[in-house]
Amino acid sequence: DAGVTQSPTHLIKTRGQQVTLRCSPKSGHDTVSWYQQALGQGPQFIFQYYEEEERQRGNFPDRFSGHQFPNYSSELNVNALLLGDSALYLCASTLPGLAGTSAGNEQFFGPGTRLTVL
Amino acid sequence: AQSVTQLGSHVSVSEGALVLLRCNYSSSVPPYLFWYVQYPNQGLQLLLKYTTGATLVKGINGFEAEFKKSETSFHLTKPSAHMSDAAEYFCAVRRPGGGTSYGKLTFGQGTILTVHP
Repeated sequence: DAGVTQSPTHLIKTRGQQVTLRCSPKSGHDTVSWYQQALGQGPQFIFQYYEEEERQRGNFPDRFSGHQFPNYSSELNVNALLLGDSALYLCASTLPGLAGTSAGNEQFFGPGTRLTVL
Repeated sequence: AQSVTQLGSHVSVSEGALVLLRCNYSSSVPPYLFWYVQYPNQGLQLLLKYTTGATLVKGINGFEAEFKKSETSFHLTKPSAHMSDAAEYFCAVRRPGGGTSYGKLTFGQGTILTVHP
């Protein structure tokens, strides 16, 4: 059983460009969350998708947007890249919990995409 | 708002010594608590979690943690360190229950554990 997969592994962009990162959740998982981990920091929550809708969002600007597809895979898009967007971007997926919630369920993380903005 | 503080960005122990990684949280309600480990160039792996019930929880690789509500702490311990435990460890919290609260994990800054032979 494949775990959470992310592509690409590494990416180099220049300021002002746009980037799309991709995530395939673990089999049977329907909820996908995205996190940004800057060097030397803990992961910061960007947003979460469930049933193709953004369900919750962290303190990130509108330059960060996402999408979830019917097969539960997800994309993270970042427009107008800044140097400060350089980070490891982590995707996590979760099983649906009782009554459709997933409060206590484990989030399974992918290996991440390392984005470097020059 | 929730927050997590991990005391000590770097902890160094000798192989076979006790490992103690500290985590304190701030939350308006008792949260769900998690410890994750991250090896170089890898994603996060769950070590253990506390949601409800017994406050001493056991995880993988011999780690355990105790939820102490009065101290708002969830420290991670392992009786005897192994070289393979060298990694970065993150404490995280999440609000319990459903609704829009259940998605977001709030992480601490991380503690890098070094194990000396």
